[in-house]
Amino acid sequence: DIQMTQSPSSLSASVGDRVTITCRASQSVSSYLNWYQQKPGKAPKLLIYAASSLQSGVPSRFSGSGSGTDFTLTISSLQPEDFATYYCQQSYSTGAFGQGTKLEIK
Amino acid sequence: QVQLVQSGSELKKPGASVKVSCKASGYTFTTYAMNWVRQAPGQGLEWMGWISTNTGNPTYAQGFTGRFVFSLDTSVSTAYLQISSLKAEDTAVYYCARDPNSRLLDYWGQGTLVTVSS
Repeated sequence: DIQMTQSPSSLSASVGDRVTITCRASQSVSSYLNWYQQKPGKAPKLLIYAASSLQSGVPSRFSGSGSGTDFTLTISSLQPEDFATYYCQQSYSTGAFGQGTKLEIK
Repeated sequence: QVQLVQSGSELKKPGASVKVSCKASGYTFTTYAMNWVRQAPGQGLEWMGWISTNTGNPTYAQGFTGRFVFSLDTSVSTAYLQISSLKAEDTAVYYCARDPNSRLLDYWGQGTLVTVSS
């Protein structure tokens, strides 16, 4: 099975910062890579699909890039509502998730 | 608008069974597959597998075979997750999620907390 590894596991940042989260697959997933945001007590929300396509309604400060095994999620200017946990997920073979990155306020 | 509404929290004893429902509305149920995702307390997301709402054929992820069963009642646009022989480690929130294309999860249910405790 393809394993997904995110880094860092946690991250402290301030409002207005530019933040990048990395996701690495144990083998190529082409562009079948999705990003989700989860806030405490809530269901995950789809942000980015197919590595770089922004889901409808998601602010443009979120962007994704990469292909093959290495991917990034970038938030260009952190807003207070962006502090949450972010997960990558491959949809190339199964639907396995990365372990998550918790983004906290500095 | 698309909605997935799941059944309420459950408290079960070890060895019992539980059936979680996920009722879809706002779209044609049989057009999109349904996935199930588990989240243990304080932990990350685990993909459990998916079921074709066209054929009823389920696919289970490693670690979710044997005691876990996905099923459908297309007449009421509802997907089900049944877990048998419950163990304490099955304590988690279980989510259903709509799948428009190969395990992409675009809409999620609100989650159902299953607690297994004696």
